[in-house]
Order: sequence, then structure tokens, then C-alpha cells
Amino acid sequence: GQNIDQPTEMTATEGAIVQINCTYQTSGFNGLFWYQQHAGEAPTFLSYNVLDGLEEKGRFSSFLSRSKGYSYLLLKELQMKDSASYLCAVMDSNYQLIWGAGTKLIIKP
Amino acid sequence: IAGITQAPTSQILAAGRRMTLRCTQDMRHNAMYWYRQDLGLGLRLIHYSNTAGTTGKGEVPDGYSVSRANTDDFPLTLASAVPSQTSVYFCASSDFPKGGGGSGEQFFGPGTRLTVL
Repeated sequence: GQNIDQPTEMTATEGAIVQINCTYQTSGFNGLFWYQQHAGEAPTFLSYNVLDGLEEKGRFSSFLSRSKGYSYLLLKELQMKDSASYLCAVMDSNYQLIWGAGTKLIIKP
Repeated sequence: IAGITQAPTSQILAAGRRMTLRCTQDMRHNAMYWYRQDLGLGLRLIHYSNTAGTTGKGEVPDGYSVSRANTDDFPLTLASAVPSQTSVYFCASSDFPKGGGGSGEQFFGPGTRLTVL
């Protein structure tokens, strides 16, 4: 079966760094996506990795290791507005997204 | 309009009633999707359409039907609503297939919160 695992909830302090991990087992691989979802809102695209390595975009970076079926999202200089759920999704061999349940990130002052 | 719109924003529905959730996009994306999101389960694909005139079943299609008469619209119909269909429904669109560059990222509408009593 296809499976995406990520922690249910994490807590971090404003100004700090947090890493959200995602492991996956899917039928094929056509890229891994990270989305941000604030409570009561729609998911919005953050990052995309299809090759191994680190993709950096401002305060957010995403890493992929295809051989290990592993990715992480790194958030630096945390701000209160970063409090949200972070969704990991893998595009399978049929170009459909398989979604993790999401990690709720709580930022404390 | 810009992006994806969904209607209604929220709805309370009696069990057994028929309901159509509307979704319209103006990005000329060829692929569209319907998901439901339930607490602790993440997004689950109900139905999808890779191009106008074609549709496919996702992970949880039972009790739902879709049509794709044109590029812009992708309505989702609940023929006879049941309480287990209480959820938040998201419509999304993307370029598909994702060849020729681009990630094939999906863009989401604001969602419809549906309660079936």
C-alpha cells in the first residue's frame, strides 16, 4: 500500500528553527510536495522536490532523499504566523498526489 | 475571478438529500480534483479529471459523482447524503500531465464545509 508518515504535532519557539520530517512508501515517485494550511483555510504550495538534495526558498527549505524515502521541511526564524499545519504529499506513478495527515506546528512566544 | 472558486462556502444538509458542490477555475488547467479532509486523516481524493470529458475514481468515490463538461467547471454531486459525508471538501486544479517542466502543483479552492444531519 501507499503510505506517508509525518508527526502529528510539533511545538517550537518564535525565532527558532524547526524540522518537520516526512517518510513515504508509494507506487512510483514523481516528486514530493510540501503545503502549508492555516486553520480553516485551503492548503497553499510551499515547495517541490524531485531530485535528491536541498531546495531553499527564503526562510523555508525542503530536503529529499529518494533512496531513503525521506524528506524534511526546515523552517528558520520562526514567526507566529508560521503556526499552521504542514502537509507532505508524494506524486505517484499515476501523477496523483498521496497525502500525509499533516503536522500541526504550534509556535510559542 | 482569479484562481478557483467553490460554492457554497458551507451547508447543512438533511440525510437523504441530493447536493451539488460547485467548483470553477479560470487558470485553464486541464486537471481538476475533489478531496475531502477529515480530522486526523489528511486529504483523500474522491474523483479527478485529467481533461475535459474524462473523469476517474479516487480513493473514496462511493456516494459521489462528478462531471467535466468543460475545462473550467467540475461539480461534485452527493446523490443521497449520509452523515459520514460530513467533511470539508476541497476542489483543486493543476496542469496535467506535468511533462514539459513544472511540478504539477495543485491549486486549491477555499473549501466547502458540509454537515449532513
